[in-house]
Amino acid sequence: EDQVTQSPEALRLQEGESSSLNCSYTVSGLRGLFWYRQDPGKGPEFLFTLYSAGEEKEKERLKATLTKKESFLHITAPKPEDSATYLCAVPTGDIQGAQKLVFGQGTRLTINP
Amino acid sequence: DAGITQSPRYKITETGRQVTLMCHQTWSHSYMFWYRQDLGHGLRLIYYSAAADITDKGEVPDGYVVSRSKTENFPLTLESATRSQTSVYFCASSSQGPHEQFFGPGTRLTVL
Repeated sequence: EDQVTQSPEALRLQEGESSSLNCSYTVSGLRGLFWYRQDPGKGPEFLFTLYSAGEEKEKERLKATLTKKESFLHITAPKPEDSATYLCAVPTGDIQGAQKLVFGQGTRLTINP
Repeated sequence: DAGITQSPRYKITETGRQVTLMCHQTWSHSYMFWYRQDLGHGLRLIYYSAAADITDKGEVPDGYVVSRSKTENFPLTLESATRSQTSVYFCASSSQGPHEQFFGPGTRLTVL
């Protein structure tokens, strides 16, 4: 069964304190890994797609990386506005069902000023 | 406005009533999805659709019905609401292939 596990469940940082969030996955034949940001009371907002091991994507203070077993979301010098829940997801099922995503439980990130 | 919208944003209903949640997207995306999000369970797929008139079950389809007569609309119906269906419901859409999904703002449903 395809699974996605994120850690930690929650993380509190001081403004400017860099850290990383982890997303480990077990899936037969990775067809991409997606990172989303979700603010309270809103739908998930797409951040990145990674397709192959070694790939990296950056957006402002966020950098996502991918290995064969896990992905990291690195947050450099975060600001309070980076506070959100970060979700990762992988496509699952056969090719016809490749659009079905399995989501991790998310990491709730809080940046204190 | 372009994007994906859901209505209503908030709904309170009673056990046994029928409820329909609406989803509309303006991108002409092939795929549309319905998820529910609950504490402790994360996002779980209820139903999805690959095109108009093509739908399939996700992880938690029991008690729900979907239809897709037009590409842009994907309504979700709870035929006889139960308290366990109290949740936040998200609609999403994506283009063909393993592309990212774009989510609506959600509908918070409470079943009393």
